Amino acid sequence: DAGITQSPRHKVTETGTPVTLRCHQTENHRYMYWYRQDPGHGLRLIHYSYGVKDTDKGEVSDGYSVSRSKTEDFLLTLESATSSQTSVYFCAIWEGAGQPQHFGDGTRLSIL
Amino acid sequence: SQQGEEDPQALSIQEGENATMNCSYKTSINNLQWYRQNSGRGLVHLILIRSNEREKHSGRLRVTLDTSKKSSSLLITASRAADTASYFCATAAGSGDKLTFGTGTRLAVRP
Repeated sequence: DAGITQSPRHKVTETGTPVTLRCHQTENHRYMYWYRQDPGHGLRLIHYSYGVKDTDKGEVSDGYSVSRSKTEDFLLTLESATSSQTSVYFCAIWEGAGQPQHFGDGTRLSIL
Repeated sequence: SQQGEEDPQALSIQEGENATMNCSYKTSINNLQWYRQNSGRGLVHLILIRSNEREKHSGRLRVTLDTSKKSSSLLITASRAADTASYFCATAAGSGDKLTFGTGTRLAVRP
């Protein structure tokens, strides 16, 4: 299994609070991604990173920010969580062209 | 926007039968990938087919790609109860091979 660890695995929080999810990799891959998974939508890309301090928006980036200060860590922050951000969040890493992405086990986030 | 649409949304078969899932997409791609997801778990990569390939095999899996029709199919032969899961196609496009996922097919294999 690819060395990807997401933390926390589960979180319940209240509307309006800040939330940070962490993705840690031990593979030294340049690319890292954050997705959310909701019923009826499959996975949708939130943000991705192509190197330290290099990030870009995905399809559903509104309300989310990311940071990558080290190759191994990619953080996803909800500055002021809303109930619409209740979802399962997946981190993925990518080695390069022609290779698949490898996914973490996900973080189940509930915002009440 | 959802790039991939999968068909059927749900499939129930008997152990030993074959399962076929289809995926359609809209734009040009670098490659197309199939993933499996067991309930409550992350996605596991099954097979990747490049845009210049037409067919690929891996064990009991067979994937076809028709770029003229912008469609792909995943065939699982001699299914087992352990194949029960959701299956997703994902198209990789642009720099960084950004993935766009379909909505998935839920496969149930009855013992």
